[in-house]
Amino acid sequence: QVQMVQSGAEVKNSGASVKVSCRASGYSFTSNYIHWVRQAPGQGLEWMGFVIPRAGSAKYAQKFQDRVTMTRDTSTNTVYMELSSLRSEDTAVYYCARGWGGNSFDPWGQGTLVTVSS
Amino acid sequence: QSALTQPPSASGSPGQSVTISCTGTSSDVGGYNYVSWYQQRPGEAPKLVIYEVTNRPSGVPDRFSGSKSGNTASLTVSGLQAEDEADYYCSSYAGSSNYVFGTGTTVTVL
Repeated sequence: QVQMVQSGAEVKNSGASVKVSCRASGYSFTSNYIHWVRQAPGQGLEWMGFVIPRAGSAKYAQKFQDRVTMTRDTSTNTVYMELSSLRSEDTAVYYCARGWGGNSFDPWGQGTLVTVSS
Repeated sequence: QSALTQPPSASGSPGQSVTISCTGTSSDVGGYNYVSWYQQRPGEAPKLVIYEVTNRPSGVPDRFSGSKSGNTASLTVSGLQAEDEADYYCSSYAGSSNYVFGTGTTVTVL
């Protein structure tokens, strides 16, 4: 079955960078976009952007344009999301999700908690 | 890009129906038939329950249905069950390869 498996929780200092991985399996890796979505504690979902595994290019939400980089490694079917200049407001669970029919997201990874301490 | 507007909460007794609205603009919900809905139980990742406004993925009960009128999309859960208690989020394509989520609705089964 299709699965998205993410890396483990991270604790970072303010101003540092974090890199979260998401390994896809059960389908052709280059056939679908992979999106990143975050959820701050007790808050809603926020779309961050996506990577196109076939091309290696990415599209970012304007809010994160200056601080995020999304990449992929086709040899391991893994995508990465790196967020720099971390601040306390970046404390959240970060999810990857496969782009699916009708611009939906399915399935989702289990989530990676990133905690930014000042 | 502003978040789509959902009511904070909705509730119903077992067996009843509950409908959740998702209001956007002509640049997102009203402009495309690309509205999807997600169920998120506490401590879990979101799960797709409706895509392309009205379509259910395989394995999602037919108690879940979606619709859209103008700039507002809706999710209806019929025959409420205890397992339907969760947060629900809508999402819409917003043009130029952008996406936006709703503010989220907590559904309580009384």
